[in-house]
Amino acid sequence: EPEVTQTPSHQVTQMGQEVILRCVPISNHLYFYWYRQILGQKVEFLVSFYNNEISEKSEIFDDQFSVERPDGSNFTLKIRSTKLEDSAMYFCASITRTSGRWSGANVLTFGAGSRLTVL
Amino acid sequence: GDSVTQMEGPVTLSEEAFLTINCTYTATGYPSLFWYVQYPGEGLQLLLKATKADDKGSNKGFEATYRKETTSFHLEKGSVQVSDSAVYFCALSKGGSEKLVFGKGTKLTVNP
Repeated sequence: EPEVTQTPSHQVTQMGQEVILRCVPISNHLYFYWYRQILGQKVEFLVSFYNNEISEKSEIFDDQFSVERPDGSNFTLKIRSTKLEDSAMYFCASITRTSGRWSGANVLTFGAGSRLTVL
Repeated sequence: GDSVTQMEGPVTLSEEAFLTINCTYTATGYPSLFWYVQYPGEGLQLLLKATKADDKGSNKGFEATYRKETTSFHLEKGSVQVSDSAVYFCALSKGGSEKLVFGKGTKLTVNP
């Protein structure tokens, strides 16, 4: 069964360092997402991406964050200067639409997550 | 804004026990409701869903009914197995968007 692959599974970094989290979505999917879960908190939406541009982003997704699809297969999340509060599990997800308007019939496929620890 | 509240964990049960994980939501309009499960070391997987009031989602012996009058979508299973040990997430989405709003997750441990 096709799956979304995320790397690294765990990264430890120093505060202020840049981090890039990588995701390989399912090959025929067109819509891509990043979510994160701070330990003990809810899974939160960060950003959605379609046709090489951000389609929606949350308040969390500030100027420190950026996303990119550099080569047609990878989908990356970059944090320019990490803060302690960026420590979390980051989930990538993808989806394809079977019709122009999403009706609830399609579902997101998630990766296993990348755990980021900022010291 | 829209939100999902699910019962705090962890939940520990013996094999063959009955499981209920409560989930309530706050949302305008008519959201779709989901239960996702995360097994150790794996991604979030859709367990079941319901897209309109009174729909019942079911999969792998789990069930949940979309109750608009109580804004709830409680997850149930009549007889849990050790292999059901995982974290369970309740979530909603609104029409026209796949963006999910999640609860905090409930960790279930089933002992033999």
